[in-house]
Amino acid sequence: GAVVSQHPSWVICKSGTSVKIECRSLDFQATTMFWYRQFPKQSLMLMATSNEGSKATYEQGVEKDKFLINHASLTLSTLTVTSAHPEDSSFYICSGRGQGAQETQYFGPGTRLLVL
Amino acid sequence: QKEVEQNSGPLSVPEGAIASLNCTYSDRGSQSFFWYRQYSGKSPELIMSIYSNGDKEDGRFTAQLNKASQYVSLLIRDSQPSDSATYLCAVRSNYQLIWGAGTKLIIKP
Repeated sequence: GAVVSQHPSWVICKSGTSVKIECRSLDFQATTMFWYRQFPKQSLMLMATSNEGSKATYEQGVEKDKFLINHASLTLSTLTVTSAHPEDSSFYICSGRGQGAQETQYFGPGTRLLVL
Repeated sequence: QKEVEQNSGPLSVPEGAIASLNCTYSDRGSQSFFWYRQYSGKSPELIMSIYSNGDKEDGRFTAQLNKASQYVSLLIRDSQPSDSATYLCAVRSNYQLIWGAGTKLIIKP
């Protein structure tokens, strides 16, 4: 399958700081990137969907000003958690999908965020 | 609201037996169906995709799709302890993947 990388794999930060997570598709062009969040023992929760060169579409309840998503190229998307708070501590996972309705989504390894 | 339903489990299966995981979906127009495996603390990885009615086999895994009944299943033959994980069913509906909550599978040695 296709490869998606994420960086960093884990991050610890102080409350009030901003954290940027990078997601790269290494061997395919990700026309669409998805950002998920997963709390312990819970299922995946889609936060937002972004198409290359367009503004991200956020799911209901996800603050677009807090979770800034940039998808400037077909191989790179970033998620910035602004003014992070302890309740933002979670497992953030990106997923890329190529062009076409039948294309499969491939997941990055995830970023574990801990806000102190 | 488009939904994908899975039994949360845990489903406990003895080593070497067949594990059967089921998933139902509400959007009759769905065309693409996926099974992902997620180990604890890791991100999901794709196991199988299926697009047409019937069975699709890949090694020890068989995906089964029945669009008339709106269910998709995953069979794991000769279950191994390493198969213990949460299995997520995902259904593509209007270019978006709708996720089930996952079934936790435990393979007992």
